[in-house]
Amino acid sequence: DTGVSQDPRHKITKRGQNVTFRCDPISEHNRLYWYRQTLGQGPEFLTYFQNEAQLEKSRLLSDRFSAERPKGSFSTLEIQRTEQGDSAMYLCASSLSGGQDEAFFGQGTRLTVV
Amino acid sequence: GESVGLHLPTLSVQEGDNSIINCAYSNSASDYFIWYKQESGKGPQFIIDIRSNMDKRQGQRVTVLLNKTVKHLSLQIAATQPGDSAVYFCAENFTGGSYIPTFGRGTSLIVHP
Repeated sequence: DTGVSQDPRHKITKRGQNVTFRCDPISEHNRLYWYRQTLGQGPEFLTYFQNEAQLEKSRLLSDRFSAERPKGSFSTLEIQRTEQGDSAMYLCASSLSGGQDEAFFGQGTRLTVV
Repeated sequence: GESVGLHLPTLSVQEGDNSIINCAYSNSASDYFIWYKQESGKGPQFIIDIRSNMDKRQGQRVTVLLNKTVKHLSLQIAATQPGDSAVYFCAENFTGGSYIPTFGRGTSLIVHP
């Protein structure tokens, strides 16, 4: 257990539905990252927060995706109008401050869109 | 574009052998590297890191070597055990100055008893 927790661990949803995932980082970690991982691939960066500020988003983060970290602690990732291509493992990680600090990952949320 | 990549997608070894997993990176500005181990259905687990001012770093049964001249990393696992079977990723930590861990595809290590 790295101390980063994600909820739920698994989510099955019908195409077109909205889903929301939660990540609780290690306390006192300022940085929080969201990644997506598909089978046979490495984690792909989606977005990150420094405290409550969302500082960068990748091109993978379409308009249907939104992430928040309102108080600089936990974060949520919402996917609206889910598509089958959204099926993946969504990983959250946190680090103390970024830079040369290791990022610790949660166990991920496995999303299946049917 | 610049990317992190791995040479071998699968590595099979016998229990007790030493394993070497390689990783190439192309961003010369990368200054921090991390090896992660990922077991099926779990998130990546930190193994060891190395900063660019070092050539070698040792942990418990693991050693990471960094060759900045050829932009190459390796992870050596001594006396490989069945519990080491997993996918191993190297991640570089410098993407446009934002220090975002960037992963390659990974190498699957299979340890035969």
